[in-house]
Amino acid sequence: SQTIHQWPATLVQPVGSPLSLECTVEGTSNPNLYWYRQAAGRGLQLLFYSVGIGQISSEVPQNLSASRPQDRQFILSSKKLLLSDSGFYLCAWSVGGGGGYTFGSGTRLTVV
Amino acid sequence: ELKVEQNPLFLSMQEGKNYTIYCNYSTTSDRLYWYRQDPGKSLESLFVLLSNGAVKQEGRLMASLDTKARLSTLHITAAVHDLSATYFCAVVGAAGNKLTFGGGTRVLVKP
Repeated sequence: SQTIHQWPATLVQPVGSPLSLECTVEGTSNPNLYWYRQAAGRGLQLLFYSVGIGQISSEVPQNLSASRPQDRQFILSSKKLLLSDSGFYLCAWSVGGGGGYTFGSGTRLTVV
Repeated sequence: ELKVEQNPLFLSMQEGKNYTIYCNYSTTSDRLYWYRQDPGKSLESLFVLLSNGAVKQEGRLMASLDTKARLSTLHITAAVHDLSATYFCAVVGAAGNKLTFGGGTRVLVKP
């Protein structure tokens, strides 16, 4: 069966520090991968999505970036965090064609 | 640009009564999803609606889709405390794979 792993679960980082969040999917090939962010008490905003290795589409201009070095690995990064980067980050995968979108357990990031 | 709106944003329910959450979207789509989120947790998939007139039911929850009206409803029958959570609808636009979310409806079921 397919599973999605996201880590770390929680993270407290100072302003100006770098960030690396990782997401991996097991049990499927060539998934579509997504990074969403949820600010406190708010809805979900799509940050990046990828339909294949090395293919990244950015939805919102910001100081975050994403990379997909392997088929089932999706990484969210920042060189210098801002206070406004705080939030709940969710990775998701789908295989298209009317299938579902499955979300990881999320990373709660607090920038202090 | 696809926009998805949910209402109400907050719903205070009494146990045993029926309620409906509405989800409107702005452009053509034939794929709509409902999710549940408990506080501090990730999203749990509830329903996938893939065609006009689709109706899905699971326990006290029933979701339906009207693609012509660009409207989905999530109906809660005889609310119970365990249904307290935030419910999101999400739509895939005609352009492809991106899932766009509504703002969510926070549901609180009181005894």
